[in-house]
Amino acid sequence: NAGVTQTPKFQVLKTGQSMTLQCAQDMNHNSMYWYRQDPGMGLRLIYYSASEGTTDKGEVPNGYNVSRLNKREFSLRLESAAPSQTSVYFCASSEMTRGYGYTFGSGTRLTVV
Amino acid sequence: GQQVMQIPQYQHVQEGEDFTTYCNSSTTLSNIQWYKQRPGGHPVFLIQLVKSGEVKKQKRLTFQFGEAKKNSSLHITATQTTDVGTYFCAGPGSGTYKYIFGTGTRLKVLA
Repeated sequence: NAGVTQTPKFQVLKTGQSMTLQCAQDMNHNSMYWYRQDPGMGLRLIYYSASEGTTDKGEVPNGYNVSRLNKREFSLRLESAAPSQTSVYFCASSEMTRGYGYTFGSGTRLTVV
Repeated sequence: GQQVMQIPQYQHVQEGEDFTTYCNSSTTLSNIQWYKQRPGGHPVFLIQLVKSGEVKKQKRLTFQFGEAKKNSSLHITATQTTDVGTYFCAGPGSGTYKYIFGTGTRLKVLA
């Protein structure tokens, strides 16, 4: 099993450019998440999808949009990238019922210049 | 909003020494999870604690959930270089199915 697959692994954008981060899981999990990680800030939730067809804002949703394309895929879009969005982005999935830990992807390292 | 804080932020220990990180929540938690992230890697789920006062062990790692379910600790006995990384706790946020992560404790083990 691949688990959670994120693409791309690295990306450099210019301010104002747009891009979509892709995430797919093959564990038949209902819930999927996008977190960003900045030095000294831990992991902060951007958006999540409790189940296919639903999405909700997390702690830091401004500047991002998401799409739960199907049960397997959950994408994160930056419409107009800003230097403040330079970060490491992690996608994760879990079973809908609490009690199961997240399975994280390997991350996307994004730099906005 | 809900906050989950961890102390210390950094810890350097000599190999063989013990290590403890503490997690404190501003609200009572139904459960708490712990993760480990190796340098350059992604967080990996270690364990979940649910009951008040619960203690669980995984080899040299001991996890404890406070009686009031607002704090937790992770203790590593006789650290090894393989223990290097950042340890995060995470508690359920308001609503459903999302977890709020602590700021993490970065552990360095000196051989």
